[in-house]
Amino acid sequence: NAGVTQTPKFRVLKTGQSMTLLCAQDMNHEYMYWYRQDPGMGLRLIHYSVGEGTTAKGEVPDGYNVSRLKKQNFLLGLESAAPSQTSVYFCASSLGRVPLETQYFGPGTRLLVL
Amino acid sequence: AQSVAQPEDQVKVAEGNPLTVKCTYSVSGNPYLFWYVQYPNRGLQFLLKYITGDNLVKGSYGFEAEFNKSQTSFHLKKPSALVSDSALYFCAVSPTNNNAGNMLTFGGGTRLMVKP
Repeated sequence: NAGVTQTPKFRVLKTGQSMTLLCAQDMNHEYMYWYRQDPGMGLRLIHYSVGEGTTAKGEVPDGYNVSRLKKQNFLLGLESAAPSQTSVYFCASSLGRVPLETQYFGPGTRLLVL
Repeated sequence: AQSVAQPEDQVKVAEGNPLTVKCTYSVSGNPYLFWYVQYPNRGLQFLLKYITGDNLVKGSYGFEAEFNKSQTSFHLKKPSALVSDSALYFCAVSPTNNNAGNMLTFGGGTRLMVKP
């Protein structure tokens, strides 16, 4: 039981490049989330999903897209990376609705956009 | 809109001494409150949460937190700090009328340093 895993662990992009971050969970959780973490700002929700085939915007969705084609996977895409998207990205999942259910976090992906 | 404030960027304590990490919140209605801990190069780990009932909540690793409605606070405490408690701590809040199924708002984090 690996929990929540994220790939890659670290990536350097040039401005304008695209990439996809992959999150996978093996706990059969319905809900999945993508956050970004910036110094002094805590975690901010980018997008989330309440089930396979569904996605919704969070607090800071601009510049990102997501897909949840399979229940266990949640993909975060950057179509045209900008330096402002330099951050640490965390994926999380929960069995049901937060806050009654606990969120479980992955180890993070560190992204540097030059 | 809800918000969380962690007024101290850093807290330093000596091993064996009690520790407190402060958190205040703003939310419409009654809150659900959480503490998470983040060790270096790791994701956040759940410590404890307040949903309802007893204002003193006990969690993992000997931590506890006290919900104070009048002061809108949810401070994290531990009677005797360990060096291994050194980490980044996040407070989070969600309103009880959360229909979106997602909205945890996190504070900016407090770095706890426990010195031997």
